[in-house]
Amino acid sequence: QVQLVESGGGLVKPGGSLRLSCAASGFTFSDYYMTWIRQAPGKGLECVSYFSGSGSIIHYADSVKGRFTISRDNAKNSLYLQMNSLRVEDTAVYYCARVLLSTVQRYHYYHMDVWGRGTTVTVSS
Amino acid sequence: QSALTQPASVSGSPGQSITISCTGTSSYVGTYNLVSWYQQHPGKAPKLMIYEDSKRPSGVSNRLSGSKSGNMASLTISGLQAEDEADYYCCSYAGSSSHVVFGGGTKLTVL
Repeated sequence: QVQLVESGGGLVKPGGSLRLSCAASGFTFSDYYMTWIRQAPGKGLECVSYFSGSGSIIHYADSVKGRFTISRDNAKNSLYLQMNSLRVEDTAVYYCARVLLSTVQRYHYYHMDVWGRGTTVTVSS
Repeated sequence: QSALTQPASVSGSPGQSITISCTGTSSYVGTYNLVSWYQQHPGKAPKLMIYEDSKRPSGVSNRLSGSKSGNMASLTISGLQAEDEADYYCCSYAGSSSHVVFGGGTKLTVL
């Protein structure tokens, strides 16, 4: 069945680095945009980054631009998030999700139909 | 502060109907920005409940419906059940800036 499984979370000191992975199965990975969504403790959802299936479109939230790098390996059906210069405010559960995104005749279609269970990142000294 | 505004909480008794609003600028909740809604139970991943303003994915109860008018999208849940108690988030994509934005979330309590 369609499934996303995140891994790589953990405890890291401020200024440190971490690499998250998301393993996809049950669908043609290269056909889809993929995204990382995070949720700080007790807070709402935030889109961190998304990446088109072809690799031609990448977007970052302003809060992570220059520190985080999203990548994907379509041969391995995997999505990654390299997080550098981590800050306390990056502490969150990080979810990987499949995205349906398109713009057709000025209409912007965007939704996330499959989510992983999340991996927890804690940035603390 | 979120780009999309939702009430922090709503409540209703079993069997009643409730509506959660989601308002934003025309850049995010306009005619051409299609809104999606997600349900999240405590400790769980979000789940898609409504997409393209009013469409339901397969398997989602028809007690849920979505609509949009002007710069406000709405999620209505009729015939409230205990299992509906959760947080609900609206989401939109601003094509011009490529930003994806969420509402701050609404906690639904079934009394």
